[in-house]
Amino acid sequence: DTAVSQTPKYLVTQMGNDKSIKCEQNLGHDTMYWYKQDSKKFLKIMFSYNNKELIINETVPNRFSPKSPDKAHLNLHINSLELGDSAVYFCASSHPSSDRAGSETQYFGPGTRLLVL
Amino acid sequence: AQSVAQPEDQVNVAEGNPLTVKCTYSVSGNPYLFWYVQYPNRGLQFLLKYITGDNLVKGSYGFEAEFNKSQTSFHLKKPSALVSDSALYFCAVLDMEYGNKLVFGAGTILRVKS
Repeated sequence: DTAVSQTPKYLVTQMGNDKSIKCEQNLGHDTMYWYKQDSKKFLKIMFSYNNKELIINETVPNRFSPKSPDKAHLNLHINSLELGDSAVYFCASSHPSSDRAGSETQYFGPGTRLLVL
Repeated sequence: AQSVAQPEDQVNVAEGNPLTVKCTYSVSGNPYLFWYVQYPNRGLQFLLKYITGDNLVKGSYGFEAEFNKSQTSFHLKKPSALVSDSALYFCAVLDMEYGNKLVFGAGTILRVKS
Protein backbone atom coordinates (compact mmCIF):
# COMPACT_ATOMS: atom_id res chain seq x y z
CA ASP A 1 0.00 0.00 0.00
CA THR A 2 2.84 2.35 -0.96
CA ALA A 3 1.59 5.93 -1.26
CA VAL A 4 3.88 7.14 -4.07
CA SER A 5 5.70 4.48 -6.07
CA GLN A 6 8.25 4.72 -8.85
CA THR A 7 9.61 2.21 -11.32
CA PRO A 8 12.30 1.32 -11.91
CA LYS A 9 14.27 1.89 -8.74
CA TYR A 10 17.57 1.76 -10.61
CA LEU A 11 18.26 2.46 -14.25
CA VAL A 12 21.64 2.05 -15.92
CA THR A 13 21.81 2.90 -19.60
CA GLN A 14 24.06 4.12 -22.39
CA MET A 15 24.32 7.66 -23.73
CA GLY A 16 21.91 8.35 -26.53
CA ASN A 17 19.26 5.89 -25.35
CA ASP A 18 15.65 6.79 -24.59
CA LYS A 19 14.19 5.76 -21.24
CA SER A 20 11.05 6.23 -19.17
CA ILE A 21 10.41 6.40 -15.44
CA LYS A 22 6.93 5.72 -14.13
CA CYS A 23 5.22 7.18 -11.08
CA GLU A 24 1.93 6.27 -9.46
CA GLN A 25 0.21 7.61 -6.36
CA ASN A 26 -2.73 6.10 -4.49
CA LEU A 27 -3.33 9.09 -2.19
CA GLY A 28 -6.13 10.56 -4.28
CA HIS A 29 -4.04 13.67 -4.95
CA ASP A 30 -4.61 15.87 -7.97
CA THR A 31 -1.13 17.29 -8.36
CA MET A 32 2.07 15.42 -9.16
CA TYR A 33 5.66 16.56 -9.51
CA TRP A 34 9.07 15.52 -10.75
CA TYR A 35 12.17 16.66 -8.89
CA LYS A 36 15.80 16.00 -9.77
CA GLN A 37 18.51 15.41 -7.15
CA ASP A 38 21.99 15.87 -8.52
CA SER A 39 25.26 14.33 -7.38
CA LYS A 40 25.65 17.01 -4.69
CA LYS A 41 22.20 16.08 -3.32
CA PHE A 42 20.70 19.37 -4.48
CA LEU A 43 16.95 19.05 -5.20
CA LYS A 44 15.16 21.03 -7.88
CA ILE A 45 11.66 20.97 -9.34
CA MET A 46 11.35 19.91 -12.97
CA PHE A 47 7.62 19.65 -13.68
CA SER A 48 4.24 19.58 -12.03
CA TYR A 49 0.87 18.45 -13.32
CA ASN A 50 -2.55 19.20 -11.87
CA ASN A 51 -5.20 16.72 -12.98
CA LYS A 52 -3.29 15.94 -16.19
CA GLU A 53 -2.59 19.60 -16.99
CA LEU A 54 1.00 20.89 -17.04
CA ILE A 55 1.41 23.60 -14.40
CA ILE A 56 5.14 23.99 -13.82
CA ASN A 57 7.80 23.52 -16.47
CA GLU A 58 11.14 24.70 -15.16
CA THR A 59 14.12 25.27 -17.40
CA VAL A 60 14.53 21.66 -18.42
CA PRO A 61 15.87 20.44 -21.79
CA ASN A 62 13.07 19.42 -24.12
CA ARG A 63 14.58 15.94 -24.19
CA PHE A 64 12.57 15.52 -20.97
CA SER A 65 8.87 15.03 -21.59
CA PRO A 66 6.41 14.33 -18.78
CA LYS A 67 3.19 12.53 -19.55
CA SER A 68 0.17 12.20 -17.31
CA PRO A 69 -2.33 9.60 -18.57
CA ASP A 70 -4.54 10.21 -15.52
CA LYS A 71 -4.26 12.11 -12.28
CA ALA A 72 -2.78 9.12 -10.44
CA HIS A 73 0.14 8.71 -12.84
CA LEU A 74 2.95 10.96 -14.02
CA ASN A 75 5.63 9.42 -16.18
CA LEU A 76 8.91 10.96 -17.29
CA HIS A 77 10.36 10.15 -20.68
CA ILE A 78 13.92 11.14 -21.48
CA ASN A 79 15.26 11.12 -25.04
CA SER A 80 18.88 10.98 -26.14
CA LEU A 81 20.24 10.50 -22.64
CA GLU A 82 23.41 12.40 -21.72
CA LEU A 83 26.00 11.83 -19.01
CA GLY A 84 24.69 14.89 -17.15
CA ASP A 85 21.27 13.30 -16.80
CA SER A 86 22.69 10.92 -14.20
CA ALA A 87 20.82 11.77 -11.02
CA VAL A 88 18.07 10.60 -8.70
CA TYR A 89 14.61 11.50 -9.93
CA PHE A 90 11.85 11.86 -7.37
CA CYS A 91 8.16 11.88 -7.98
CA ALA A 92 5.86 13.60 -5.48
CA SER A 93 2.17 14.36 -5.09
CA SER A 94 -0.11 16.73 -3.18
CA HIS A 95 -3.57 18.23 -3.21
CA PRO A 96 -3.65 21.37 -5.34
CA SER A 97 -6.06 23.50 -3.39
CA SER A 98 -4.53 25.87 -0.87
CA ASP A 99 -7.68 25.96 1.20
CA ARG A 100 -7.74 22.27 1.96
CA ALA A 101 -5.96 21.52 5.22
CA GLY A 102 -2.74 19.71 4.58
CA SER A 103 -2.85 20.37 0.87
CA GLU A 104 0.53 22.05 0.91
CA THR A 105 2.41 18.91 1.89
CA GLN A 106 4.11 17.01 -0.89
CA TYR A 107 4.71 13.29 -0.44
CA PHE A 108 7.66 11.77 -2.24
CA GLY A 109 8.34 8.44 -3.85
CA PRO A 110 11.48 6.39 -3.19
CA GLY A 111 13.36 7.81 -6.17
CA THR A 112 14.79 6.37 -9.38
CA ARG A 113 18.56 6.30 -9.57
CA LEU A 114 19.57 6.91 -13.17
CA LEU A 115 23.14 6.29 -14.31
CA VAL A 116 24.09 7.15 -17.86
CA LEU A 117 27.31 5.57 -19.10
CA ALA B 1 11.98 34.59 -5.22
CA GLN B 2 11.51 32.28 -2.26
CA SER B 3 14.64 30.66 -0.87
CA VAL B 4 16.00 28.88 2.17
CA ALA B 5 19.55 28.49 3.38
CA GLN B 6 21.07 25.76 5.49
CA PRO B 7 24.35 27.19 6.74
CA GLU B 8 25.83 23.91 7.97
CA ASP B 9 26.90 21.10 5.63
CA GLN B 10 27.15 18.72 8.57
CA VAL B 11 26.13 18.60 12.21
CA ASN B 12 27.69 16.15 14.63
CA VAL B 13 26.08 15.33 17.95
CA ALA B 14 26.43 12.65 20.59
CA GLU B 15 23.55 10.28 21.21
CA GLY B 16 21.30 11.57 23.95
CA ASN B 17 22.29 15.20 23.43
CA PRO B 18 19.94 17.80 21.98
CA LEU B 19 20.33 18.56 18.30
CA THR B 20 19.64 21.60 16.16
CA VAL B 21 19.74 21.80 12.38
CA LYS B 22 19.57 25.39 11.16
CA CYS B 23 17.50 26.93 8.40
CA THR B 24 16.90 30.55 7.44
CA TYR B 25 14.44 31.75 4.86
CA SER B 26 13.92 34.62 2.47
CA VAL B 27 10.37 35.02 1.20
CA SER B 28 7.86 37.58 0.04
CA GLY B 29 4.65 37.18 1.99
CA ASN B 30 3.93 34.54 4.59
CA PRO B 31 6.23 31.54 4.43
CA TYR B 32 5.13 27.94 4.14
CA LEU B 33 8.13 26.07 5.56
CA PHE B 34 8.92 22.36 5.64
CA TRP B 35 11.49 19.89 6.90
CA TYR B 36 12.15 16.62 5.10
CA VAL B 37 14.57 13.82 5.94
CA GLN B 38 16.37 11.52 3.52
CA TYR B 39 17.89 8.30 4.79
CA PRO B 40 20.65 6.68 2.66
CA ASN B 41 19.30 5.39 -0.65
CA ARG B 42 15.77 6.29 0.37
CA GLY B 43 13.20 8.85 -0.65
CA LEU B 44 12.30 12.05 1.13
CA GLN B 45 10.12 11.73 4.20
CA PHE B 46 8.01 14.63 5.44
CA LEU B 47 8.83 15.58 9.02
CA LEU B 48 6.87 18.75 9.78
CA LYS B 49 5.69 22.07 8.44
CA TYR B 50 4.84 25.60 9.50
CA ILE B 51 1.92 27.28 7.78
CA THR B 52 0.40 29.49 10.45
CA GLY B 53 -0.36 29.43 14.16
CA ASP B 54 1.98 28.34 16.95
CA ASN B 55 5.61 29.08 16.31
CA LEU B 56 6.65 25.72 17.75
CA VAL B 57 5.69 22.92 15.41
CA LYS B 58 5.86 19.27 16.39
CA GLY B 59 6.47 16.56 13.84
CA SER B 60 7.41 12.94 13.33
CA TYR B 61 10.01 10.94 15.29
CA GLY B 62 10.13 13.47 18.15
CA PHE B 63 11.33 16.37 15.99
CA GLU B 64 10.09 19.91 16.36
CA ALA B 65 10.88 23.21 14.71
CA GLU B 66 10.61 26.79 15.84
CA PHE B 67 9.44 29.48 13.46
CA ASN B 68 11.08 32.81 14.28
CA LYS B 69 9.83 35.66 12.16
CA SER B 70 12.24 38.30 13.47
CA GLN B 71 15.25 36.11 12.73
CA THR B 72 13.69 34.58 9.58
CA SER B 73 14.63 31.16 10.87
CA PHE B 74 13.01 27.74 11.07
CA HIS B 75 15.47 25.55 12.97
CA LEU B 76 14.84 21.83 13.43
CA LYS B 77 15.33 20.48 16.94
CA LYS B 78 15.15 17.32 18.97
CA PRO B 79 15.71 17.11 22.74
CA SER B 80 17.60 13.81 22.66
CA ALA B 81 19.32 12.53 19.51
CA LEU B 82 19.33 8.89 18.45
CA VAL B 83 21.90 7.18 16.27
CA SER B 84 19.03 6.32 13.94
CA ASP B 85 18.42 10.05 13.37
CA SER B 86 21.60 10.14 11.27
CA ALA B 87 20.47 11.22 7.81
CA LEU B 88 20.32 14.14 5.37
CA TYR B 89 17.89 16.87 6.36
CA PHE B 90 16.33 19.37 3.99
CA CYS B 91 14.59 22.61 4.78
CA ALA B 92 12.19 23.84 2.08
CA VAL B 93 9.83 26.70 1.33
CA LEU B 94 6.74 26.46 -0.82
CA ASP B 95 6.78 28.84 -3.77
CA MET B 96 3.17 29.34 -4.82
CA GLU B 97 3.69 32.02 -7.45
CA TYR B 98 3.31 29.62 -10.37
CA GLY B 99 1.96 26.35 -9.11
CA ASN B 100 3.25 24.91 -5.86
CA LYS B 101 6.92 24.07 -6.02
CA LEU B 102 9.16 23.26 -3.10
CA VAL B 103 12.42 25.21 -3.07
CA PHE B 104 14.95 23.24 -1.07
CA GLY B 105 18.02 24.19 0.87
CA ALA B 106 21.28 22.41 0.14
CA GLY B 107 20.74 19.90 2.92
CA THR B 108 22.52 19.21 6.21
CA ILE B 109 24.03 15.85 7.08
CA LEU B 110 23.29 14.91 10.67
CA ARG B 111 25.64 12.40 12.30
CA VAL B 112 24.74 11.07 15.70
CA LYS B 113 27.49 9.09 17.40
CA SER B 114 27.00 6.61 20.21
